[in-house]
Amino acid sequence: DTAVSQTPKYLVTQMGNDKSIKCEQNLGHDTMYWYKQDSKKFLKIMFSYNNKELIINETVPNRFSPKSPDKAHLNLHINSLELGDSAVYFCASSQFPGQGRTEAFFGQGTRLTVV
Amino acid sequence: AQRVTQPEKLLSVFKGAPVELKCNYSYSGSPELFWYVQYSRQRLQLLLRHISRESIKGFTADLNKGETSFHLKKPFAQEEDSAMYYCALTVPGGKLIFGQGTELSVKP
Repeated sequence: DTAVSQTPKYLVTQMGNDKSIKCEQNLGHDTMYWYKQDSKKFLKIMFSYNNKELIINETVPNRFSPKSPDKAHLNLHINSLELGDSAVYFCASSQFPGQGRTEAFFGQGTRLTVV
Repeated sequence: AQRVTQPEKLLSVFKGAPVELKCNYSYSGSPELFWYVQYSRQRLQLLLRHISRESIKGFTADLNKGETSFHLKKPFAQEEDSAMYYCALTVPGGKLIFGQGTELSVKP
């Protein structure tokens, strides 16, 4: 009964490939996020969805496309993978601000390695 | 600009020593601040939020609006405290802005 789960946990792929990372939360939260943790352990938000609607879209290459089929799922699709995309990608969820706690719950991360 | 700064990339202390992980923020509104912890190869988890004013695992953090700081403190460090610690600020829209992180290493 993991709160926020991501698959896969590890992903090794060649440059130029297209890959997807899936995320699901069973907390009943309205808002989901994707964060990228680089090799220096710096965490930066990429996207945020609230009730399937994109609300935050940071400066991220167009090769990254989030998809939210319902409010419990937020997937990340990456086209034409590059070496610089290698990182740990974290999914997170929270209640929308103004509706109580804004604490974010994180998934276990997906370690993407592009070779 | 909204920003969170953790000036120390690495903090190394001996077991039983006091610990202070520094965090400064820049935000024009009323801040909502958190400390998250990431143990080795695990997910980030919430340690503290300033609103609750609680002590978790012996850690406390006080919001100082005058100094725009939210330093994390523990009087006696334990080896199991070794981890990455992130200070974070929530801004409208729910976005968490993280500091660069401080790796705490507690030596026996």
